[in-house]
Order: sequence, then C-alpha cells, then structure tokens
Amino acid sequence: KQEVTQIPAALSVPEGENLVLNCSFTDSAIYNLQWFRQDPGKGLTSLLLIQSSQREQTSGRLNASLDKSSGRSTLYIAASQPGDSATYLCAVIIQGAQKLVFGQGTRLTINP
Amino acid sequence: DTGVSQNPRHKITKRGQNVTFRCDPISEHNRLYWYRQTLGQGPEFLTYFQNEAQLEKSRLLSDRFSAERPKGSFSTLEIQRTEQGDSAMYLCASSLTKHSLDSNQPQHFGDGTRLSIL
Repeated sequence: KQEVTQIPAALSVPEGENLVLNCSFTDSAIYNLQWFRQDPGKGLTSLLLIQSSQREQTSGRLNASLDKSSGRSTLYIAASQPGDSATYLCAVIIQGAQKLVFGQGTRLTINP
Repeated sequence: DTGVSQNPRHKITKRGQNVTFRCDPISEHNRLYWYRQTLGQGPEFLTYFQNEAQLEKSRLLSDRFSAERPKGSFSTLEIQRTEQGDSAMYLCASSLTKHSLDSNQPQHFGDGTRLSIL
C-alpha cells in the first residue's frame, strides 16, 4: 500500500527566506507526483506536476524535484512571502491506478 | 474555464438525515473524482468517473454513500443516514484524459463542501 509522508507538519519562517518542503513515498512505481497548495477552508490549487520520467519542474519561485529511486520529492520556495502561507500537500498516482494518494501536508507560515 | 464548482459550500444537518452534494467539473473534462478530507489530514480518495461510468470505489465508500454522473457532466454524492464520522470536507476534482489509462494529467479541485453533523 502506497504511503505518503510529509515532514515537517508545520514550519514557520521569516519573510524572504528560501525554504524546502519534503515529501516521501513508499512505492516508487508512480506515474507522477503533484504538489498542491490549500488555503484555510478552501480547495486545492495545483502548483506543479512532475511525471515519473522527469526530475524537476519549475514555476516562478517554485521548484519541485523528484527522485523516484529514493521515494522523495522536495518543493523549494525561493524568497518566501507572507502570501505563501498555506498548507502544502504532495500526492502521487501509482502505476495502474487513477487516484491521488496524499500526504498529511505541511502547514507553512511566513512571518512579515 | 470557470473551474470546478461545488454546491453547497457548507451543509449542517442532524445525524440520521440524508444529504446530497453537487459537483460541476471543468467543461469537457471527462474524468471526475470525489475525495474526503478530515481536519489536519490530506484528502482520501472515494470514487471516480470516466464520463458517466463509475470505474473505482474506495472501501471508504460504505453502502450509505452513492455517487452518480448521469450524463457525464455534473456529479452528485449522496450520503444516507448520516453519522458523526461523516463530518468532513468533500472535495471534487476533474481532469481531461486522452485515454482510459492516462494518469498524467493534473487534477483540478473545487473548493469543497464542508459537512457538519450535529
């Protein structure tokens, strides 16, 4: 059974810092990995999708990497801003399946 | 592209009542998913449709839960005889896939329906 873990559960940093969020998964046979952002009381906003054949994806200040062999992904946020405060979730789709399996999320707070 | 729309946003009901939620996916998206999210946890898969066909159901989806997508457009999720443990955020997502085995398209989520059971 695929399990996805995100560490830390919560992170608080001052504005302007670069930071890394971690995601690990137990089954390396995945189609892709997706990073989402969730604001309180809201749905999920897709940030980046990395296909299994890719090593990284970039969008603006965000960079996500994928190491399938070690079962790890990282989300790098450059020059953090208070507006980046949210919960960040990673999820994988395993081969042969169509559903996303999520981690518990990292609650990020950027302090002005 | 108006995004995935879910109604109602909030539902408060007494234990034992039936509730129904609606999801309107992004137009032309052929795949629609339902997930459930409890406080402090990531979403958990419930079921998904490819057009009007329901292709997979999670063991989380007990006999009290039923989902439909009659014309391959909007979907409804009904919970009968609600219980305290049903309190959660119910999220709908959609994606556009080129063939039935395609899992490499991003899923786009709505803002969810928050269900509270009194």
